[in-house]
Amino acid sequence: LAKTTQPISMDSYEGQEVNITCSHNNIATNDYITWYQQFPSQGPRFIIQGYKTKVTNEVASLFIPADRKSSTLSLPRVSLSDTAVYYCLVGKTGANNLFFGTGTRLTVIP
Amino acid sequence: NAGVTQTPKFQVLKTGQSMTLQCAQDMNHNSMYWYRQDPGMGLRLIYYSASEGTTDKGEVPNGYNVSRLNKREFSLRLESAAPSQTSVYFCASLPRWWGEQETQYFGPGTRLLVL
Repeated sequence: LAKTTQPISMDSYEGQEVNITCSHNNIATNDYITWYQQFPSQGPRFIIQGYKTKVTNEVASLFIPADRKSSTLSLPRVSLSDTAVYYCLVGKTGANNLFFGTGTRLTVIP
Repeated sequence: NAGVTQTPKFQVLKTGQSMTLQCAQDMNHNSMYWYRQDPGMGLRLIYYSASEGTTDKGEVPNGYNVSRLNKREFSLRLESAAPSQTSVYFCASLPRWWGEQETQYFGPGTRLLVL
């Protein structure tokens, strides 16, 4: 199972774009990259998932370079409600969810 | 459709007491998971069940047992609680173990305090 490395914490001002990068040097050919968001006192919830290039949904974008050894979660124009911990997971199928790591704690400042 | 439900929401135990944390999902998912999250830490997998009838150890299984009662329910038992088991426990489910693009659904968590 591919392990991931993320920054421990990040701060951003309201309205700015935030990019959180995740390193996954040992990603396997069939692995997908999934990002979860966790608010205090709640379980994590799915944000976005991708395999290569770029994926965009109503919440975020996920950029994956050709070598797939890293990925970047992009949150456009963050608000205070985006303050949370963001987890990057890499893997295939159910095994994708075995190692959450410590995530990146994003704090949005007014 | 309630998703993933957990009971109780909060529990206080004395060292040595036993208890069972209950988890149920109504989404017809095949795989279920139990995690613990200590303050300021990420989630660590305790046990998982890839499908009904199977269970496997995760990263931190010591002191816990699980039962996949049926497809809907996956319980976590602490036989003799210790203060080190004070944590927030999350249950999660996944549609299919073998799918390539699957994501987990999490319950609201159970806060456990062991004195």
